[in-house]
Amino acid sequence: AQSVAQPEDQVNVAEGNPLTVKCTYSVSGNPYLFWYVQYPNRGLQFLLKYITGDNLVKGSYGFEAEFNKSQTSFHLKKPSALVSDSALYFCAVRDPYGNNRLAFGKGNQVVVIP
Amino acid sequence: EAEVAQSPRYKITEKSQAVAFWCDPISGHATLYWYRQILGQGPELLVQFQDESVVDDSQLPKDRFSAERLKGVDSTLKIQPAELGDSAMYLCASSRGQGGFDTEAFFGQGTRLTVV
Repeated sequence: AQSVAQPEDQVNVAEGNPLTVKCTYSVSGNPYLFWYVQYPNRGLQFLLKYITGDNLVKGSYGFEAEFNKSQTSFHLKKPSALVSDSALYFCAVRDPYGNNRLAFGKGNQVVVIP
Repeated sequence: EAEVAQSPRYKITEKSQAVAFWCDPISGHATLYWYRQILGQGPELLVQFQDESVVDDSQLPKDRFSAERLKGVDSTLKIQPAELGDSAMYLCASSRGQGGFDTEAFFGQGTRLTVV
């Protein structure tokens, strides 16, 4: 079954510095990968996805993610973090050769320090 | 901008009582999902519908949970009887078309359930 790992519980970064949130995945074939953000007591908001093509995917709010097949990773990045980026970030994966289930990681709390 | 609607936003219920949540997906979205999110964890799929049919309910505790989407539009998730361990955020999501692997899911704001 497909799965994702988000190894860090919390990521602290100073405002204006680059932000990276790590994600590794496990699927039987080529993955479909997604990043979502969640603010307190709210649902998840879609940020970006990788399906095929260019390994660097650009999404909402200045976020981008890099797909690396050899390292089975899909790290989320932002060149310059804002205080408003403080939230919970989830990586998710679908296995196109398995069921259609969207499997989420445990999430990473991002804290941007003013 | 179209949104997934959920109600209620918050629900407090006593142990052993019945509770129900409602979800109205984005118009035209054929696939509907119910997820449970326990504090500090990622969402876990409970049930997935394609139109009115269940396509995945393998992680739904069927002895107490039920879900329906009778006309292939809105959906209801029920818990009877509620247990203390059911306290969580219940998220509804929908995706367009036939819910293909490359389509992202759009989430509602969730229902925060507290069982006392």
